[in-house]
Amino acid sequence: LAKTTQPISMDSYEGQEVNITCSHNNIATNDYITWYQQFPSQGPRFIIQGYKTKVTNEVASLFIPADRKSSTLSLPRVSLSDTAVYYCLVANQAGTALIFGKGTTLSVSS
Amino acid sequence: NAGVTQTPKFQVLKTGQSMTLQCAQDMNHEYMSWYRQDPGMGLRLIHYSVGAGITDQGEVPNGYNVSRSTTEDFPLRLLSAAPSQTSVYFCASSQQSGALTDTQYFGPGTRLTVL
Repeated sequence: LAKTTQPISMDSYEGQEVNITCSHNNIATNDYITWYQQFPSQGPRFIIQGYKTKVTNEVASLFIPADRKSSTLSLPRVSLSDTAVYYCLVANQAGTALIFGKGTTLSVSS
Repeated sequence: NAGVTQTPKFQVLKTGQSMTLQCAQDMNHEYMSWYRQDPGMGLRLIHYSVGAGITDQGEVPNGYNVSRSTTEDFPLRLLSAAPSQTSVYFCASSQQSGALTDTQYFGPGTRLTVL
């Protein structure tokens, strides 16, 4: 499974756009990139998934360059409630496990 | 749908005791798994199941047993609790067997302390 590297922590203010970049240099052809969000004392929650280029949903956007060796989760106009840990995962349909790293702790202040 | 439910929410054990953490899902999902999360760490996979009657080991299986007699339930057994098993345990499920591109749904967690 491709290993991922992401910043340990990030700070932001309400209303700003936050971009969290994840590096996955050894991503395989069949791998997808998935991001999860975890609030304190809760289980992780799916945010977004993509294979290439750009994916957008009601919560976030995911940007994946052509070489797919990195990806960027973009959270538009964050609020205090976006304070959480964000995990970048790489997985494919042939795999048998999701491997979570330590994630990025995002702290949003007013 | 209740989604993924876990019981108990909190548990305190003494070293050497055994217990079972319960996990159930009502979404008819094939794939279920157990993770543990320690302070400052990500989630580590303990065991997983791709369907009823099939289980396999994850990254940190020692000291834990699982079984999958029904699609809905996936209990995690601690055979002889040790302080190193103090952690928060999460159960998760997804629709398709082995299709990890499916969304994983996580339970609320069980906070276990072993004295």
